[in-house]
Amino acid sequence: EVQLVESGGGLVQPGGSLRLSCAASGFTFSSYWMHWVRQAPGKGLVWVSRINSDGSSTSYADSVKGRFTISRDNAKNTLYLQMNSLRAEDTAVYYCAREGEEQLVVNQLYYYYYYMDVWGKGTTVTVSS
Amino acid sequence: QTVVTQEPSLTVSPGGTVTLTCASSTGAVTSGYYPNWFQQKPGQAPRALIYSTSNKHSWTPARFSGSLLGGKAALTLSGVQPEDEAEYYCLLYYGGARVFGTGTKVTVL
Repeated sequence: EVQLVESGGGLVQPGGSLRLSCAASGFTFSSYWMHWVRQAPGKGLVWVSRINSDGSSTSYADSVKGRFTISRDNAKNTLYLQMNSLRAEDTAVYYCAREGEEQLVVNQLYYYYYYMDVWGKGTTVTVSS
Repeated sequence: QTVVTQEPSLTVSPGGTVTLTCASSTGAVTSGYYPNWFQQKPGQAPRALIYSTSNKHSWTPARFSGSLLGGKAALTLSGVQPEDEAEYYCLLYYGGARVFGTGTKVTVL
């Protein structure tokens, strides 16, 4: 069964740090880009960060740039999010999600399709004193 | 800062049809933004419905369809069922970054 399981959430004081993990199983983890997405209580989904399949390229939302670091260990099938200088507004459920790519060739033209298809159940981070 | 805007709420009768849209503050949404659509019910993780504008996942019910409409991405629910009551989010690709829409609460009444 294809599965993502997040862990590492908890209560942390403002200015503190936390490292989230996302354990992948049931698929070839090293072939997929991965994302972190968060959702504050009662609010919408917010994209946080992504990492490519071999970990050589990353992107971040402006709200977390310079404070959060995404990484992965393909040997351990695990995605990470190191969160530093945490603020109250970082309080949220954090989801990891898999992103895949399909390629279609028609008349020697290449068409690409991208999808974010598998999500974990999330881990809750609360930043409060 | 890029903002992706959806209708805050829509109401539809069982068996009816409703269309949700997804607009980008940067201009018209095209297939190059690879629009994805997700459904989320309270207390649950999001579930993928549509990818790259109009492609369905193997688990996506036939009554859900995606398209481009008037410079926006669109999700149409035809023959709405009570279980379709949920929050729906679009996702657009901006190079290496992604931006979720503000979400649409669909009520089946």
